[in-house]
Amino acid sequence: VQLLESGGGLVPPGESLRLSCTGSGFGFSIHAMSWVRQAPGKGLEWVSTISATGSTTHFADSVKGRFTISRDHSKSTVSLQMNSLRVEDTAVYYCAKYTSGWYTPFDFWGQGTMVTVSS
Amino acid sequence: EIEMTQSPATLSVSPGEGATLSCRASQNVSKSLAWYQQKPGQAPRLLMSEKSTRATGIPARFSGSGSGTEFSLTISSLQSEDFAVYYCQQYHGWPLTFGGGTKVAIK
Repeated sequence: VQLLESGGGLVPPGESLRLSCTGSGFGFSIHAMSWVRQAPGKGLEWVSTISATGSTTHFADSVKGRFTISRDHSKSTVSLQMNSLRVEDTAVYYCAKYTSGWYTPFDFWGQGTMVTVSS
Repeated sequence: EIEMTQSPATLSVSPGEGATLSCRASQNVSKSLAWYQQKPGQAPRLLMSEKSTRATGIPARFSGSGSGTEFSLTISSLQSEDFAVYYCQQYHGWPLTFGGGTKVAIK
């Protein structure tokens, strides 16, 4: 199982960024996927989840209305579109795979991609 | 929102000794509780789910217990590779929430 994130970088406040996560080594289309972030020196914060079919999504209140999540089964990718970025969105963003169904833990994580929001 | 509280924040242990980490949920999460280990510069790794089921490849010195709102992770006879930060997470309801972490440090 591999999860490879990309798309991180340095952006000024108010701008947008799109993160991608490509999965391999497992049945990508049958697993819900999530993004979890970790601010420098801080703990883990769940950001968003998308169902296996892509029909259902959930977001943390801190990003609701600014972030969207989507997936492309043909490319085995899940994406996080981040708009109206704030300084407090600065973090390492991890892509994580659910063990199986909706209410299960994350059994595999990518290595993360760093997002820095600063002027 | 279900708040997860971990204690202590830091635990200093000598190699070979045991350690018990605690996690408390603000509401009943049944058995929907996972533990993760994170080492510096690395992604978290799943240790335990359903409060007491070890993930693939996790050694038997790791064990979990508890239910409802009180959970614990016990590491018997700490090895050098076990010094890390440990997080609990509830997946009983939205939003998913993590505890603040317990750092297990070398004494």
